[in-house]
Order: sequence, then structure tokens, then C-alpha cells
Amino acid sequence: AQKVTQAQTEISVVEKEDVTLDCVYETRDTTYYLFWYKQPPSGELVFLIRRNSFDEQNEISGRYSWNFQKSTSSFNFTITASQVVDSAVYFCALSESFYTGANSKLTFGKGITLSVRP
Amino acid sequence: EPEVTQTPSHQVTQMGQEVILRCVPISNHLYFYWYRQILGQKVEFLVSFYNNEISEKSEIFDDQFSVERPDGSNFTLKIRSTKLEDSAMYFCASSEWSDGTDTQYFGPGTRLTVL
Repeated sequence: AQKVTQAQTEISVVEKEDVTLDCVYETRDTTYYLFWYKQPPSGELVFLIRRNSFDEQNEISGRYSWNFQKSTSSFNFTITASQVVDSAVYFCALSESFYTGANSKLTFGKGITLSVRP
Repeated sequence: EPEVTQTPSHQVTQMGQEVILRCVPISNHLYFYWYRQILGQKVEFLVSFYNNEISEKSEIFDDQFSVERPDGSNFTLKIRSTKLEDSAMYFCASSEWSDGTDTQYFGPGTRLTVL
């Protein structure tokens, strides 16, 4: 069975600090996808990134970067120079079996509440 | 940019009543999902749907729940006899099977309150 663990529950930083959100996953599949979603106070789920299990290259998008390490089953998310608008709940998620053509349900972690103070 | 829409944004109902939550997936998407999030908790998978059939459902998705795609655009979740513990945010999502990826895009959610 697949599982996603986000051990940090709440993080509070001051604006412009860098912050890293941790995600550890468990799966028996060799083929899978990892995701990060953002849930701002308004409640919607906003897709941030998808990474497949064959691609361990780190990715950077503006102030966001992701570090995928299969050896430690981790997919960590770093926000550089955080801003108040980054305040939200961040969810890491895992889906398996996308190559089978079946619907791939997402298994979410419990989420990390990030508060960025001015 | 295309987006998933959901109506209503907030639904209040009495225990035992039936509710129907509506979703309009992104138009060229073929795979549809419902998830729920009890207040302050993680997002949980309920059901996935493709080609007018349920592909997979979770333990939460018991006989009180049903899904339907009544026309070419809407995707609905029905709860036949609501319970207090059904109070949650319900998210619809859709995805397009294009190049082997399956990114699910979520709607804004419907907050269901059962009294």
C-alpha cells in the first residue's frame, strides 16, 4: 500500500526566510508519480509540480525548488525568500500505476501548514 | 485557462437528506475523481470514474454514495442519506490521459455541512 508522510505539521517563518517542506513516501511500485499541491486559506487545491519516478533531476521554478531522492524516498519542497502569500497548507501526494492506463488515485500526506509572517 | 468548477460552494443539509454535488470537469479530460477533506485533515480519495464506469473506489465510498455523468459535461456525487460524519469539503478533480501523465486538476470544492 502506498503512504505519504509529512512529519512537519506547522512551520512558521519570517518573510524572506527559506523554508523546506519534507515529504517521505512508501510504495511497492517502481513506477509512480509524486506531486505537491498548495491549499491557500480560500480552500482550493492548486497543483504545483509533478515528478515521475524515473526522473531524479531537481527542479526549480522561480522561488520554488524540489529535491527528489529515490534512495531516501523523499520529495522535499523548498521555498526561497518566502513571502506572506506563500502562507498555505502544502500537501505532498503519490500516485501509482500510471502506465497501466488505469485511473491513478492520489494518496495525500496530512499536509504542512506554512505561516509566513511579515 | 480551463478549470474544474463545482457547485454549490457550500451546502447545508439535515441528517438523512440526500445531496447532490455537481462538478464540471475540464472539457477534454476523460478521467474524473471525487475526494473529500474533513476539516483540518488530509485529502482522501473517494472514487475514480472513466468511460461511464467506476474505476476504483475507497472504503469510504459505501452504498450511500453514487456517481454519475448525466451528460457530456457534468459529473455528480450523490449522498443518499447524509450523516453527521459526511460533513467535509468535497473536491472534484479531472485529468487527461495524454502522454502517460495523470496530473489531476482540482475544483474549488463544495463544503458540505450536515446538521
